[in-house]
Amino acid sequence: QQQVKQSPQSLIVQKGGISIINCAYENTAFDYFPWYQQFPGKGPALLIAIRPDVSEKKEGRFTISFNKSAKQFSLHIMDSQPGDSATYFCAASISGSRLTFGEGTQLTVNP
Amino acid sequence: DAGVIQSPRHEVTEMGQEVTLRCKPISGHDYLFWYRQTMMRGLELLIYFNNNVPIDDSGMPEDRFSAKMPNASFSTLKIQPSEPRDSAVYFCASSLFRNTEAFFGQGTRLTVV
Repeated sequence: QQQVKQSPQSLIVQKGGISIINCAYENTAFDYFPWYQQFPGKGPALLIAIRPDVSEKKEGRFTISFNKSAKQFSLHIMDSQPGDSATYFCAASISGSRLTFGEGTQLTVNP
Repeated sequence: DAGVIQSPRHEVTEMGQEVTLRCKPISGHDYLFWYRQTMMRGLELLIYFNNNVPIDDSGMPEDRFSAKMPNASFSTLKIQPSEPRDSAVYFCASSLFRNTEAFFGQGTRLTVV
């Protein structure tokens, strides 16, 4: 019940395209859903986060869509750039603190 | 603030040796987390502290692993004795409150040969 399932495992997108990464969870007690971005040799860094009282949150080219009834949330990267090439992790937690991470998606944006 | 600082960045040790990883969280952060990252298992939470007190250590894989936080600005993760399957990148992270951004350090890449 603590698992967060992420897909796809890898994604290749052309520059200017839309990257979409999906996550699903089982535990309805999760109340915080962040996305982290990780570049090689670096620690993960928070990209954007959402709480279940809203269905969408947008920050620049990055949007989280949240479907509470389906227990799914997704990250959309609009106008994808080569600099967005990284590994993306979704995560979830109950009242903060203990983040459960998805398996990660390796995104490659071709020039 | 310089962010979360971990040392060493890389550690190569022989099987059976003791390994100590160190972390300095961001000043003022009340939560400190130790994660392990491997290709097979992804990012796993090992243990976390709140105000220097261990709250949840259920992710610590074996008794060979131990973690301490003697004060608000320092934590250690110790593996004794180390084994090749402990090879991974170990991250320390800190956050100000619950449900807020966790800031990660650069990680320590541990190789046990």
